Amino acid sequence: KAGVTQTPRYLIKTRGQQVTLSCSPISGHRSVSWYQQTPGQGLQFLFEYFSETQRNKGNFPGRFSGRQFSNSRSEMNVSTLELGDSALYLCASSLGGGLGEQFFGPGTRLTVL
Amino acid sequence: DQQVKQNSPSLSVQEGRISILNCDYTNSMFDYFLWYKKYPAEGPTFLISISSIKDKNEDGRFTVFLNKSAKHLSLHIVPSQPGDSAVYFCAATPSGTYKYIFGTGTRLKVLA
Repeated sequence: KAGVTQTPRYLIKTRGQQVTLSCSPISGHRSVSWYQQTPGQGLQFLFEYFSETQRNKGNFPGRFSGRQFSNSRSEMNVSTLELGDSALYLCASSLGGGLGEQFFGPGTRLTVL
Repeated sequence: DQQVKQNSPSLSVQEGRISILNCDYTNSMFDYFLWYKKYPAEGPTFLISISSIKDKNEDGRFTVFLNKSAKHLSLHIVPSQPGDSAVYFCAATPSGTYKYIFGTGTRLKVLA
């Protein structure tokens, strides 16, 4: 069974631009969560989608948004990029029926110049 | 406000000995806890979990202990192997949510 895939793996943008990251979950998984990882901050929860609905949201500004499609694939968008948005963005999928382990993708490394 | 804390950023252990990684939490509403391992350039990999109704869970070389009164979680790895060298994250989920709160990680180095 293929794992969680994220595209692109690396991205360089400049301040003020916007970016869209993509995540394809494991087949059959209906829940997708997004995290931001920065040095010293661990993984910060962004949001979680289940069956195209956002179920949970972290404490990030409205510039961070996401969506999930009917095939469970998910996209995350960051508008008006700031230098502090440079981070590793991780996507994780799970069956979603209840609590359980999440399977993470390799991440997208975003650098904002 | 860091609700899940891993106060040791790094730990070195000799091969064959026990590794003990610690995690403290502040939110009494957390009812499910997990440990993940992360190698460079890869996403975190699930290791082991424990529900708040238990105080211990074992899986091979990995054992997780939960002390609810102290709001403390620990991961024991016995015996430690060089391949265990990685960053370890603990995570917790508030009751009734599907939101995972992660700690900042502890870098474990197992010396051969």
